[in-house]
Amino acid sequence: AQTVTQSQPEMSVQEAETVTLSCTYDTSESNYYLFWYKQPPSRQMILVIRQEAYKQQNATENRFSVNFQKAAKSFSLKISDSQLGDTAMYFCAFMTRPGGGATNKLIFGTGTLLAVQP
Amino acid sequence: NAGVTQTPKFQVLKTGQSMTLQCAQDMNHEYMSWYRQDPGMGLRLIHYSVGAGITDQGEVPNGYNVSRSTTEDFPLRLLSAAPSQTSVYFCASSYSTSGGKGGYTFGSGTRLTVV
Repeated sequence: AQTVTQSQPEMSVQEAETVTLSCTYDTSESNYYLFWYKQPPSRQMILVIRQEAYKQQNATENRFSVNFQKAAKSFSLKISDSQLGDTAMYFCAFMTRPGGGATNKLIFGTGTLLAVQP
Repeated sequence: NAGVTQTPKFQVLKTGQSMTLQCAQDMNHEYMSWYRQDPGMGLRLIHYSVGAGITDQGEVPNGYNVSRSTTEDFPLRLLSAAPSQTSVYFCASSYSTSGGKGGYTFGSGTRLTVV
């Protein structure tokens, strides 16, 4: 069974600085997707960034980028130039790539609560 | 507006009562699922459906029932509410073959308290 581990329950960063959130996962699959979701106090789940396991290039979305280390099964999120609006719970998630009977089940880590300080 | 609509947003139940959490999507997504979110435990999968008439259990299915009579709707039923079911519930949907490309679309959640 796949598992996702986020070892940092809480983190804090000063506005305009850079912070990295850690995520590791365990799977025997070779094809899969990884995601980072953001959940602000509004409770809405917002997709931040996604990575396809067969792509070696790390995904980037504006100030958000990932460090994907497939062999180490590591998928960290880097937030550059942190803003007050980045304050939220961040969830790392895993999905087996559909096909061959696999479903779209999304497996979540326990989350990291990020506080951006002014 | 296209998306996933969950109702109600808040609900208080007494132990032993039953209720249905509603979920509807208008994106023609084949895949729909229900999660519960508890502090320190992330989101855990309750039930999911890969299409109308097809449902299956997730990680924490006990105490919950689902059905999928149409592509659009995926209600979650609590048969006899217990305090352990106090949680925030999320419905999410995606296309069956491209959930990984766009991720899920989530509803805004239902905060349920069982007293």
